[in-house]
Amino acid sequence: AQTVTQSQPEMSVQEAETVTLSCTYDTSESNYYLFWYKQPPSRQMILVIRQEAYKQQNATENRFSVNFQKAAKSFSLKISDSQLGDTAMYFCAFTGAQKLVFGQGTRLTINP
Amino acid sequence: DTGVSQNPRHKITKRGQNVTFRCDPISEHNRLYWYRQTLGQGPEFLTYFQNEAQLEKSRLLSDRFSAERPKGSFSTLEIQRTEQGDSAMYLCASSGDRGRGSYEQYFGPGTRLTVT
Repeated sequence: AQTVTQSQPEMSVQEAETVTLSCTYDTSESNYYLFWYKQPPSRQMILVIRQEAYKQQNATENRFSVNFQKAAKSFSLKISDSQLGDTAMYFCAFTGAQKLVFGQGTRLTINP
Repeated sequence: DTGVSQNPRHKITKRGQNVTFRCDPISEHNRLYWYRQTLGQGPEFLTYFQNEAQLEKSRLLSDRFSAERPKGSFSTLEIQRTEQGDSAMYLCASSGDRGRGSYEQYFGPGTRLTVT
């Protein structure tokens, strides 16, 4: 069975700082996809960034980038120049192309 | 396209009552998923459809739960004889079946169920 682990329940940084959220996963599949989703307070889940396991290049979306280490089964999210609107729960998720398996989440607070 | 929609957004019911939730996916998406999220946790998979066929059900989906997608468009999730442990956010997501879109799931706002 696939599992996803986020070891940081909560993080807090100052606005404009850089923050890295950790995620590890376990799977026996060779082809899969990884995601980071953002869930702001009382708002819906938003897809932040995606990574295909067969791609060696780390994905980047504006201020968001990932560090994908396939051998270590690690998939961290870096948020640069953090903004107040980045305050949210962040979930790491895995799929072999059907259901998503989520981690427990990291509550990120950006302080002014 | 307005994204995935879910109704109702909130539902309060008494223990033992039946409830039904509706999900309307993104129009061109043929895969539809249901998840359950309890407070402070990540969503857990319940079931998924490709068109009208229900292809996988989680062991979390007890016999009190049933989901349908009769015409391959909207879906309903019914919980019979609700229990307090059913209180949660029920999330719906959809995805396409070709290329990149086949693995990206887009979520609706959820239906928050409170069983008293």
